[in-house]
Amino acid sequence: GAVVSQHPSRVICKSGTSVKIECRSLDFQATTMFWYRQFPKQSLMLMATSNEGSKATYEQGVEKDKFLINHASLTLSTLTVTSAHPEDSSFYICSARGLANYNEQFFGPGTRLTVL
Amino acid sequence: LAKTTQPVSMDSYEGQEVNITCSHNNIATNDYITWYQQFPSQGPRFIIQGYKTKVTNEVASLFIPADRKSSTLSLPRVSLSDTAVYYCLVGDPGSARQLTFGSGTQLTVLP
Repeated sequence: GAVVSQHPSRVICKSGTSVKIECRSLDFQATTMFWYRQFPKQSLMLMATSNEGSKATYEQGVEKDKFLINHASLTLSTLTVTSAHPEDSSFYICSARGLANYNEQFFGPGTRLTVL
Repeated sequence: LAKTTQPVSMDSYEGQEVNITCSHNNIATNDYITWYQQFPSQGPRFIIQGYKTKVTNEVASLFIPADRKSSTLSLPRVSLSDTAVYYCLVGDPGSARQLTFGSGTQLTVLP
Protein backbone atom coordinates (compact mmCIF):
# COMPACT_ATOMS: atom_id res chain seq x y z
CA GLY A 1 0.00 0.00 0.00
CA ALA A 2 0.91 3.65 -0.25
CA VAL A 3 3.18 5.07 2.44
CA VAL A 4 3.04 8.44 4.12
CA SER A 5 5.85 9.56 6.38
CA GLN A 6 6.11 12.36 8.90
CA HIS A 7 9.15 14.07 10.32
CA PRO A 8 9.95 14.48 13.09
CA SER A 9 8.12 11.75 14.97
CA ARG A 10 8.39 13.71 18.16
CA VAL A 11 9.57 17.20 19.02
CA ILE A 12 9.93 19.21 22.20
CA CYS A 13 10.24 22.97 21.98
CA LYS A 14 10.15 26.04 24.16
CA SER A 15 7.13 28.29 24.32
CA GLY A 16 7.27 31.03 21.71
CA THR A 17 9.30 29.11 19.14
CA SER A 18 8.10 27.77 15.81
CA VAL A 19 8.07 24.12 14.79
CA LYS A 20 7.83 22.65 11.31
CA ILE A 21 6.38 19.22 10.65
CA GLU A 22 6.84 17.53 7.29
CA CYS A 23 4.46 15.10 5.64
CA ARG A 24 5.63 13.12 2.62
CA SER A 25 3.93 10.67 0.32
CA LEU A 26 6.71 8.24 -0.49
CA ASP A 27 5.41 6.23 -3.42
CA PHE A 28 2.53 8.19 -4.88
CA GLN A 29 1.60 11.72 -5.80
CA ALA A 30 -0.70 13.31 -3.27
CA THR A 31 -2.98 15.86 -4.83
CA THR A 32 -4.63 16.51 -1.48
CA MET A 33 -3.21 16.34 2.01
CA PHE A 34 -5.00 16.76 5.30
CA TRP A 35 -3.74 17.82 8.71
CA TYR A 36 -5.30 16.59 11.93
CA ARG A 37 -4.75 17.22 15.60
CA GLN A 38 -5.49 14.66 18.28
CA PHE A 39 -5.53 15.31 22.00
CA PRO A 40 -5.19 12.42 24.49
CA LYS A 41 -8.18 10.07 24.57
CA GLN A 42 -9.92 12.09 21.87
CA SER A 43 -10.70 11.59 18.22
CA LEU A 44 -8.89 13.17 15.31
CA MET A 45 -9.93 16.71 14.52
CA LEU A 46 -9.38 18.01 11.02
CA MET A 47 -7.39 21.24 10.98
CA ALA A 48 -6.99 21.96 7.29
CA THR A 49 -7.04 20.59 3.79
CA SER A 50 -4.30 21.44 1.35
CA ASN A 51 -4.17 20.96 -2.38
CA GLU A 52 -0.89 21.08 -4.22
CA GLY A 53 -0.12 24.55 -5.46
CA SER A 54 -3.00 26.33 -3.76
CA LYS A 55 -3.79 27.81 -0.38
CA ALA A 56 -4.96 25.53 2.37
CA THR A 57 -8.56 25.49 3.53
CA TYR A 58 -8.80 25.73 7.29
CA GLU A 59 -11.56 24.36 9.48
CA GLN A 60 -13.55 26.72 11.62
CA GLY A 61 -11.69 27.70 14.75
CA VAL A 62 -8.22 26.92 13.38
CA GLU A 63 -6.01 29.99 13.12
CA LYS A 64 -4.38 30.06 9.71
CA ASP A 65 -1.71 32.52 10.84
CA LYS A 66 -0.69 30.21 13.65
CA PHE A 67 -0.77 26.95 11.73
CA LEU A 68 0.94 27.63 8.42
CA ILE A 69 0.47 24.96 5.79
CA ASN A 70 2.46 24.68 2.61
CA HIS A 71 1.85 22.07 -0.09
CA ALA A 72 4.49 23.05 -2.60
CA SER A 73 4.86 19.70 -4.35
CA LEU A 74 2.84 16.56 -4.99
CA THR A 75 4.82 14.65 -2.37
CA LEU A 76 5.38 17.15 0.42
CA SER A 77 3.23 19.22 2.73
CA THR A 78 4.47 21.08 5.79
CA LEU A 79 2.71 22.34 8.88
CA THR A 80 4.43 25.08 10.85
CA VAL A 81 3.19 25.82 14.33
CA THR A 82 4.21 29.42 14.93
CA SER A 83 4.83 30.90 18.36
CA ALA A 84 3.95 27.62 19.98
CA HIS A 85 2.38 27.53 23.44
CA PRO A 86 1.82 24.65 25.85
CA GLU A 87 -1.81 24.34 24.72
CA ASP A 88 -0.53 23.50 21.23
CA SER A 89 0.98 20.31 22.62
CA SER A 90 -0.76 17.52 20.78
CA PHE A 91 -0.42 14.66 18.32
CA TYR A 92 -0.40 15.98 14.75
CA ILE A 93 -1.29 13.57 11.96
CA CYS A 94 -1.29 14.09 8.22
CA SER A 95 -3.01 12.06 5.56
CA ALA A 96 -2.74 12.04 1.81
CA ARG A 97 -4.97 11.18 -1.08
CA GLY A 98 -3.81 10.70 -4.63
CA LEU A 99 -5.49 10.46 -8.00
CA ALA A 100 -4.80 6.76 -8.26
CA ASN A 101 -6.22 5.99 -4.82
CA TYR A 102 -8.96 8.55 -4.52
CA ASN A 103 -11.24 6.30 -2.50
CA GLU A 104 -8.66 5.79 0.18
CA GLN A 105 -6.64 8.02 2.43
CA PHE A 106 -3.25 7.08 3.75
CA PHE A 107 -2.22 8.37 7.13
CA GLY A 108 1.19 9.27 8.41
CA PRO A 109 2.51 7.91 11.71
CA GLY A 110 1.95 11.21 13.51
CA THR A 111 4.15 13.75 15.25
CA ARG A 112 4.06 14.26 19.00
CA LEU A 113 4.60 17.94 19.80
CA THR A 114 5.36 18.99 23.36
CA VAL A 115 5.67 22.69 24.11
CA LEU A 116 7.34 23.53 27.41
CA LEU B 1 -21.51 15.35 6.39
CA ALA B 2 -23.12 12.22 7.76
CA LYS B 3 -22.74 11.89 11.51
CA THR B 4 -21.82 8.50 12.90
CA THR B 5 -22.59 6.87 16.23
CA GLN B 6 -20.56 3.99 17.63
CA PRO B 7 -20.31 2.34 21.03
CA VAL B 8 -17.68 4.01 23.16
CA SER B 9 -16.02 0.76 24.16
CA MET B 10 -16.21 -3.01 23.81
CA ASP B 11 -14.44 -5.90 25.49
CA SER B 12 -13.80 -9.29 23.96
CA TYR B 13 -11.67 -12.36 24.52
CA GLU B 14 -9.00 -13.77 22.31
CA GLY B 15 -10.31 -16.01 19.55
CA GLN B 16 -13.80 -14.54 19.53
CA GLU B 17 -15.49 -12.77 16.66
CA VAL B 18 -16.12 -9.09 17.32
CA ASN B 19 -18.82 -7.04 15.66
CA ILE B 20 -18.79 -3.26 15.94
CA THR B 21 -21.87 -1.47 14.68
CA CYS B 22 -21.98 2.09 13.44
CA SER B 23 -25.14 4.13 12.88
CA HIS B 24 -25.26 6.70 10.10
CA ASN B 25 -28.89 7.61 9.62
CA ASN B 26 -28.35 10.53 7.25
CA ILE B 27 -25.95 8.83 4.88
CA ALA B 28 -26.07 10.32 1.39
CA THR B 29 -26.34 8.51 -1.92
CA ASN B 30 -22.70 9.04 -2.87
CA ASP B 31 -21.30 8.22 0.57
CA TYR B 32 -19.08 5.24 1.23
CA ILE B 33 -18.44 3.69 4.63
CA THR B 34 -14.84 3.35 5.72
CA TRP B 35 -13.33 1.85 8.86
CA TYR B 36 -9.96 2.71 10.33
CA GLN B 37 -7.95 1.23 13.19
CA GLN B 38 -5.72 3.32 15.42
CA PHE B 39 -3.17 2.24 17.98
CA PRO B 40 -1.93 4.70 20.63
CA SER B 41 0.49 7.31 19.26
CA GLN B 42 0.09 6.05 15.69
CA GLY B 43 -1.79 7.26 12.66
CA PRO B 44 -5.04 5.52 11.66
CA ARG B 45 -4.75 2.46 9.45
CA PHE B 46 -7.30 1.65 6.73
CA ILE B 47 -9.23 -1.55 7.41
CA ILE B 48 -12.07 -1.78 4.92
CA GLN B 49 -14.44 0.26 2.79
CA GLY B 50 -17.82 -0.50 1.31
CA TYR B 51 -20.93 0.96 -0.27
CA LYS B 52 -23.56 -1.74 0.15
CA THR B 53 -24.14 -5.42 1.04
CA LYS B 54 -20.97 -7.18 2.13
CA VAL B 55 -17.29 -6.56 1.64
CA THR B 56 -14.56 -8.90 2.84
CA ASN B 57 -10.80 -8.66 2.85
CA GLU B 58 -8.00 -10.50 4.60
CA VAL B 59 -8.56 -8.80 7.95
CA ALA B 60 -12.27 -7.98 8.26
CA SER B 61 -15.75 -8.04 6.82
CA LEU B 62 -18.14 -5.14 6.46
CA PHE B 63 -21.88 -5.70 6.45
CA ILE B 64 -24.16 -2.97 5.16
CA PRO B 65 -27.95 -3.45 5.13
CA ALA B 66 -30.09 -2.35 2.23
CA ASP B 67 -31.08 0.98 3.81
CA ARG B 68 -27.38 1.76 4.51
CA LYS B 69 -28.28 3.53 7.74
CA SER B 70 -25.88 1.37 9.69
CA SER B 71 -22.90 -0.86 9.11
CA THR B 72 -21.12 -3.58 11.05
CA LEU B 73 -17.40 -4.23 11.10
CA SER B 74 -16.68 -7.87 11.83
CA LEU B 75 -13.27 -8.98 13.07
CA PRO B 76 -12.88 -12.77 13.06
CA ARG B 77 -10.97 -14.46 15.89
CA VAL B 78 -9.45 -11.37 17.50
CA SER B 79 -6.10 -11.41 19.24
CA LEU B 80 -4.55 -9.17 21.88
CA SER B 81 -2.94 -7.12 19.12
CA ASP B 82 -6.37 -6.09 17.86
CA THR B 83 -6.82 -3.90 20.95
CA ALA B 84 -7.21 -0.46 19.41
CA VAL B 85 -9.68 2.31 18.63
CA TYR B 86 -11.86 1.65 15.60
CA TYR B 87 -13.39 4.54 13.67
CA CYS B 88 -16.33 4.43 11.30
CA LEU B 89 -16.33 7.20 8.71
CA VAL B 90 -18.98 8.08 6.16
CA GLY B 91 -18.43 10.31 3.18
CA ASP B 92 -18.09 10.73 -0.53
CA PRO B 93 -14.57 9.72 -1.59
CA GLY B 94 -14.96 11.77 -4.74
CA SER B 95 -15.67 14.93 -2.82
CA ALA B 96 -13.00 17.44 -1.98
CA ARG B 97 -14.31 17.46 1.56
CA GLN B 98 -12.52 15.37 4.09
CA LEU B 99 -14.13 12.55 6.00
CA THR B 100 -14.98 13.40 9.59
CA PHE B 101 -13.84 11.19 12.41
CA GLY B 102 -16.38 10.32 15.08
CA SER B 103 -15.53 9.35 18.61
CA GLY B 104 -14.54 5.79 17.74
CA THR B 105 -14.86 2.51 19.64
CA GLN B 106 -12.15 1.35 22.02
CA LEU B 107 -11.90 -2.40 21.58
CA THR B 108 -10.07 -4.23 24.35
CA VAL B 109 -9.19 -7.86 23.75
CA LEU B 110 -8.62 -9.81 26.93
CA PRO B 111 -6.57 -13.00 27.29
